[in-house]
Amino acid sequence: GNSVTQMEGPVTLSEEAFLTINCTYTATGYPSLFWYVQYPGEGLQLLLKATKADDKGSNKGFEATYRKETTSFHLEKGSVQVSDSAVYFCALTSNYGGSQGNLIFGKGTKLSVKP
Amino acid sequence: NAGVTQTPKFQVLKTGQSMTLQCAQDMNHEYMSWYRQDPGMGLRLIHYSVGAGITDQGEVPNGYNVSRSTTEDFPLRLLSAAPSQTSVYFCASTIDGGDTQYFGPGTRLTVL
Repeated sequence: GNSVTQMEGPVTLSEEAFLTINCTYTATGYPSLFWYVQYPGEGLQLLLKATKADDKGSNKGFEATYRKETTSFHLEKGSVQVSDSAVYFCALTSNYGGSQGNLIFGKGTKLSVKP
Repeated sequence: NAGVTQTPKFQVLKTGQSMTLQCAQDMNHEYMSWYRQDPGMGLRLIHYSVGAGITDQGEVPNGYNVSRSTTEDFPLRLLSAAPSQTSVYFCASTIDGGDTQYFGPGTRLTVL
């Protein structure tokens, strides 16, 4: 079945460091891919998304490119800030099969950015 | 426009008690879902609904019931709470399958 694998944390970086969080997926059909962010004590918010191969999603300085050939959707940011400290979830939804509109999540990666 | 709202924010139950977690959205979304979040497990789908009167099971449905009598509301019922149901519960909605999902703030449930 469909699944998402993302690098496990926690990840600790200094402010202004480069961030990469790896995400790979297994899916049938043509899934859309998402990164969600969860700040402490809050629900999940969409960070960015890509709906087809080679699409690049971007928001708040974060980017991720939908790579069908490597089944990956790695999250990157060139210079992290303390305010980026959060848990990041890679997710996919698929238009194939019965559960349309639902998300399959990775386990989450906790990022801590130190000043 | 309040988005997705959930009540209560926190709840403590004793084993065997029942309760209902409330979820409402004011965006006229057809799709609504319930997820549970456990440490190291990410979020897992409990039940979902593609419209009023239609519900289906997700990955971890045992011990939970849902109904969808209106587009706005999607309550989650625990009939006989167990310690294994201690978790954070999130409700989400989306206008269409495959599109962005909007999450509520969550309900932290502890079952003793």
